[in-house]
Amino acid sequence: SQQGEEDPQALSIQEGENATMNCSYKTSINNLQWYRQNSGRGLVHLILIRSNEREKHSGRLRVTLDTSKKSSSLLITASRAADTASYFCATAPGSGNTGKLIFGQGTTLQVKP
Amino acid sequence: DAGVTQSPTHLIKTRGQQVTLRCSPKSGHDTVSWYQQALGQGPQFIFQYYEEEERQRGNFPDRFSGHQFPNYSSELNVNALLLGDSALYLCASSSPGTGGARGYTFGSGTRLTVV
Repeated sequence: SQQGEEDPQALSIQEGENATMNCSYKTSINNLQWYRQNSGRGLVHLILIRSNEREKHSGRLRVTLDTSKKSSSLLITASRAADTASYFCATAPGSGNTGKLIFGQGTTLQVKP
Repeated sequence: DAGVTQSPTHLIKTRGQQVTLRCSPKSGHDTVSWYQQALGQGPQFIFQYYEEEERQRGNFPDRFSGHQFPNYSSELNVNALLLGDSALYLCASSSPGTGGARGYTFGSGTRLTVV
């Protein structure tokens, strides 16, 4: 079963604008990861934030984590047409877990040139 | 440095048949996980292999089985195929001892269609 719920399901913006995607989850986590998927192919790991971290940056990406609200957000600044893809959050459950990831249903981002 | 390699890329099988999918992890990675992704959905965890043993399993029936070889490559076998098994099957590997704590490297997947 899916743990995460992502919001919005679809997002369409102009090139240069910022894109924000949100993810909520249900159980305690060890870490939360964001992945990108182009055209139904393999997933590319973008960024990982641990449960004791609140914010993390990587290039044009900014991730926040609020464990009290069991939610995370991914911000892509100054978007480009090449950012068009599906974005998934994935949680690594906190107890008794050896590496299983639980994915949300994803946000489909379209960046118009 | 090659990433995760999966074969075949596409596969069409008839209901009731059996299928074997293959995965070679990224060089230096020892842990392999398999995921099923139905169209329009997020990936769902099938199982994970480490040191040639199934270490963790998701909510999938026994028709789904796997194997890991001494060179860390892995196979996913699905018996008695159902139409609902049609999906993209993804293999992911991670580096030694991290259990995915630093993120996984995914292959491009095998698109299985059951007719």
